[in-house]
Amino acid sequence: DAKTTQPNSMESNEEEPVHLPCNHSTISGTDYIHWYRQLPSQGPEYVIHGLTSNVNNRMASLAIAEDRKSSTLILHRATLRDAAVYYCILRAPPNFGNEKLTFGTGTRLTIIP
Amino acid sequence: KAGVTQTPRYLIKTRGQQVTLSCSPISGHRSVSWYQQTPGQGLQFLFEYFSETQRNKGNFPGRFSGRQFSNSRSEMNVSTLELGDSALYLCASSLAGGPQETQYFGPGTRLLVL
Repeated sequence: DAKTTQPNSMESNEEEPVHLPCNHSTISGTDYIHWYRQLPSQGPEYVIHGLTSNVNNRMASLAIAEDRKSSTLILHRATLRDAAVYYCILRAPPNFGNEKLTFGTGTRLTIIP
Repeated sequence: KAGVTQTPRYLIKTRGQQVTLSCSPISGHRSVSWYQQTPGQGLQFLFEYFSETQRNKGNFPGRFSGRQFSNSRSEMNVSTLELGDSALYLCASSLAGGPQETQYFGPGTRLLVL
């Protein structure tokens, strides 16, 4: 099964860009890469997802390596509200009735004012 | 549009008891997934329901079960509670549950087993 690896923690200055890496060297061709973040005492919140191409939305950008073995979540200008635990998750189509879900351990992002 | 709601938000039980947690998905969403979150194991997938049928299942013992009703609301049941079942139980809904879809999470039910 695919596995994901993320750094346990990262720090960034406010209003600076943040690059959060995720390694998924055993990713399958049909695995979607999702990023969610979780603020204290809340459920995870969707950030962005992609399959092969880089993706942008109002919250962030997702850069996917050409071989898809790694991806980077980019927050262009970090604010204090971006302080959270960020999860990299792989989701694959159901295989014999069981969708594969692979979670990273999460990166705790601290924003320094 | 109202978000995913979970009840109760907090629960204290003792070992051996059973518990039922409830999840109301976003209106129009037919897929409901359940997750367990603990400091030691992180996020772990329990199961997913779609159109009242369990479609996917994670690696949890049979003490963990669930069901989905015709209005897409879902319940999760844990029987014979163990201390290790203390966790945050999260419910997430999506339109049809495909791997490319966004999941919307509820705030979770925090279960403490004494």
